[in-house]
Amino acid sequence: AQRVTQPEKLLSVFKGAPVELKCNYSYSGSPELFWYVQYSRQRLQLLLRHISRESIKGFTADLNKGETSFHLKKPFAQEEDSAMYYCALSIKAAGNKLTFGGGTRVLVKP
Amino acid sequence: DGGITQSPKYLFRKEGQNVTLSCEQNLNHDAMYWYRQDPGQGLRLIYYSQIVNDFQKGDIAEGYSVSREKKESFPLTVTSAQKNPTAFYLCASSATGTGTQYFGPGTRLLVL
Repeated sequence: AQRVTQPEKLLSVFKGAPVELKCNYSYSGSPELFWYVQYSRQRLQLLLRHISRESIKGFTADLNKGETSFHLKKPFAQEEDSAMYYCALSIKAAGNKLTFGGGTRVLVKP
Repeated sequence: DGGITQSPKYLFRKEGQNVTLSCEQNLNHDAMYWYRQDPGQGLRLIYYSQIVNDFQKGDIAEGYSVSREKKESFPLTVTSAQKNPTAFYLCASSATGTGTQYFGPGTRLLVL
C-alpha cells in the first residue's frame, strides 16, 4: 500500500529565512503528488501539484522519483506562510483517492 | 469559498447514539470523499464515492456508514460502533480523473 511520510511535525523559521518541508512517499508506480495547506480558521486547500510544475505563493516542489520525494521549498518565508502543510499522493488506478502525510506545522516568526 | 458545504459545524454525540454529518456540493463533481483528521495523524480516508449509488470503504471505515443517493450529497453516519468518534471530519469532492480535491469547512464531533 502507498504511504506518505512527513518527518517534521513542526518547523519554526524566522521571516525571510528559507523553509523546506520534507515529503517522502512509497509507491512503485507513477503517483500524482500534491501539497495542501490549511491556514488558521480556513479550510484545507490545494497549494500545488507536481504535474503543473508552477510556483504558488513563492513555493515550489520538485518530484524526485529516484528518491521518492516531493519536498516543498520557499526561499524567503513570510509570516502569512504560517500554517499546517500536508503532502498527499493520488493514484489514478485507485480512484484518485488521496493518501496524506501526517502534516507539518510551519511557524514563521517575525 | 462555497461550493462544498458541511453541517453542522459542531456536533455532540451521546453514548450509543448514531449521528449524521451532512456534506453538499454544487461543483457538479462525480467523486466525493470523507476524511477524519486527528492531531499528528494527518487525514485518513473513511469512505469515498466515485459515482451516484456507489461507494467504497477507505482505510478506517469501521463504525461509519455512508449513502450516495444524489450527486450533490454524501452524508456520513457515525454509528455507536465507532468507539473513538471525537475528531474533525472533512468532506471533499473532485472531478472525475483528477486527484485535485476541494474540501469543506469541516465538522467537529465531540462525545458527551
